[in-house]
Amino acid sequence: KAGVTQTPRYLIKTRGQQVTLSCSPISGHRSVSWYQQTPGQGLQFLFEYFSETQRNKGNFPGRFSGRQFSNSRSEMNVSTLELGDSALYLCASSREGSLFYNEQFFGPGTRLTVL
Amino acid sequence: QQQVKQSPQSLIVQKGGISIINCAYENTAFDYFPWYQQFPGKGPALLIAIRPDVSEKKEGRFTISFNKSAKQFSLHIMDSQPGDSATYFCAASIGSRRPSTDSWGKLQFGAGTQVVVTP
Repeated sequence: KAGVTQTPRYLIKTRGQQVTLSCSPISGHRSVSWYQQTPGQGLQFLFEYFSETQRNKGNFPGRFSGRQFSNSRSEMNVSTLELGDSALYLCASSREGSLFYNEQFFGPGTRLTVL
Repeated sequence: QQQVKQSPQSLIVQKGGISIINCAYENTAFDYFPWYQQFPGKGPALLIAIRPDVSEKKEGRFTISFNKSAKQFSLHIMDSQPGDSATYFCAASIGSRRPSTDSWGKLQFGAGTQVVVTP
């Protein structure tokens, strides 16, 4: 079974631009969570989607948004990029109904650099 | 505020030795505690997880010990190998059986421990 895939793997943008990152969950997984990983703040939860609905959101500004499609694939968007948005963005999927419903499997991440 | 505190920040252990990483939490609603292993340039990989109704779980060379009264849990890596050199993260989650609005899909992570196993 293929794992979580994320595209692109690397991105370089300049301040003020916007960016869209994509995530394909493990087949059969309907929940997709997004995290930001930085050396200073560690791994921080951004939001979670299930059945095309955002069910939970972390403490990030409105510039960070996401969506989920009917095939469970998800995208996240960051508008008006700031230098501090440089990070590894990780997507994780989990299977609804699992005994450990938050048993999350991560993709390789998208490394975003904002210049 | 950081809801899961992890220590130490870094650890050097000789091949064949035992690596021990500790985590502490405050929120008694947490009921799912996974550990992740991350290599440079890769995403975190789920290593082992425990629920608070058991005090210990072992998978191969990896063991989680859980102390509910102390609100602490730890990862022991037995017979550490150079290939175990990585960053390890503990995490915690609320409501694994009865999730609520603020717990869907959300893992609270510790700050991470960089483990180096010397040959």
